[in-house]
Order: sequence, then C-alpha cells, then structure tokens
Amino acid sequence: DVKVTQSSRYLVKRTGEKVFLECVQDMDHENMFWYRQDPGLGLRLIYFSYDVKMKEKGDIPEGYSVSREKKERFSLILESASTNQTSMYLCASSFTQGNQPQHFGDGTRLSIL
Amino acid sequence: KQEVTQIPAALSVPEGENLVLNCSFTDSAIYNLQWFRQDPGKGLTSLLLIQSSQREQTSGRLNASLDKSSGRSTLYIAASQPGDSATYLCARGGWGKLQFGAGTQVVVTP
Repeated sequence: DVKVTQSSRYLVKRTGEKVFLECVQDMDHENMFWYRQDPGLGLRLIYFSYDVKMKEKGDIPEGYSVSREKKERFSLILESASTNQTSMYLCASSFTQGNQPQHFGDGTRLSIL
Repeated sequence: KQEVTQIPAALSVPEGENLVLNCSFTDSAIYNLQWFRQDPGKGLTSLLLIQSSQREQTSGRLNASLDKSSGRSTLYIAASQPGDSATYLCARGGWGKLQFGAGTQVVVTP
C-alpha cells in the first residue's frame, strides 16, 4: 500500500515562528502536493512539485514556501507563522503518468497562537 | 473560474438505503474525476477514479458515473452501513492537479 507520512498530527506554534511541516512518501511518486483544509473553504492547493527541486505555486501560496531536495520528501515552510495559518494541512503524492489517484497523508492540525 | 460543486452538503439515511451523492463541475475539459472519503480528523482516502474516456467505475458497493457533456458525476453507495458515515469529496483532475468540491457529509443511522 502507498504510504504518505506527515511528521506531526498536531502542532502548536507561536506567531512569528518559522514552522516546518514534513511529508514523506514511499511509492517513488513524481508529484507531491500541499493543501490546507478549512471549514467552509474546502481543500485549497498551496504548492506542488512534479520533480526534485521543482515547485509550482498553487492557489494560495502567500506566506508559504516549499522544499524538495529528495524525491520522497516534500516540506512546507511557514516563514513567519500567523494566526490565519491555523488550519489542517494535508500532503499528497501521485504518479505523473497513467491517470493515477492522489494518495494523502493523515494531516497535520496546526495551531498558531 | 472553474468550480466543483457538491449537493447536498449533508445527508442522513437509515442503514440499508442506497446513497446517491452528486458532483458538478463547470469545465468539461477534465483529465479525470476522483472520489475520496474523509473521516473526522483524518486525511483523504481515494475511492474511485474515472478517466475522462470512461463513463463509470465500480468497486464493491461503490459505483461512480461520469457525464462530461453535462459536467456531472454521481457516486452511488449500495446498501449503506453505519461504517459509511464520513464526508465524501469529489475532485476534478486537471494535469496533475485536483480541484475539490466542498464535500457531502453522510450519516448512516442504524
């Protein structure tokens, strides 16, 4: 089975801190994605990556950056955390070819105080 | 702007009844249509993926149809069980990216 692992289920940070969310997948997927999920707004794409060291902005990239130094790992960085970044963050991965589904991790519930 | 809409937002049915969940999208130039399940506080589990060239996909009690011309997909769950209680999301697949609906929250009562 595909395994997408997010480093933390719950995380509490302070305003202004630099926050790192880590995601690792074990299926050699080319594509990796970061979403945030908020009540009433659904899932929104923050960034995605289709190859090592490659990144593309999603719908809401402001306040975030990403890093993909290895194929299996995709990190989301909150440069200076703010309270409006309190949310559920979901990582996903997929193959590029073959019309394959995205596979999701269990999510990180991040609270910024 | 491309949109994905799911109606109703919530649904409650007695155990044994068939579930019908609707998804509509504004752009028929899709790559695929995916259905996911999400349990409270958890990530998404992929249920079915329908390629743009297909009309339907089936897996056990689940059947999903796709009508690109009308911009609609329907997820059928036969003989619902309390364990089917969850939020179901559809997502329109573009090249590598997904655009999600807001989901339908389903409660199956024993």
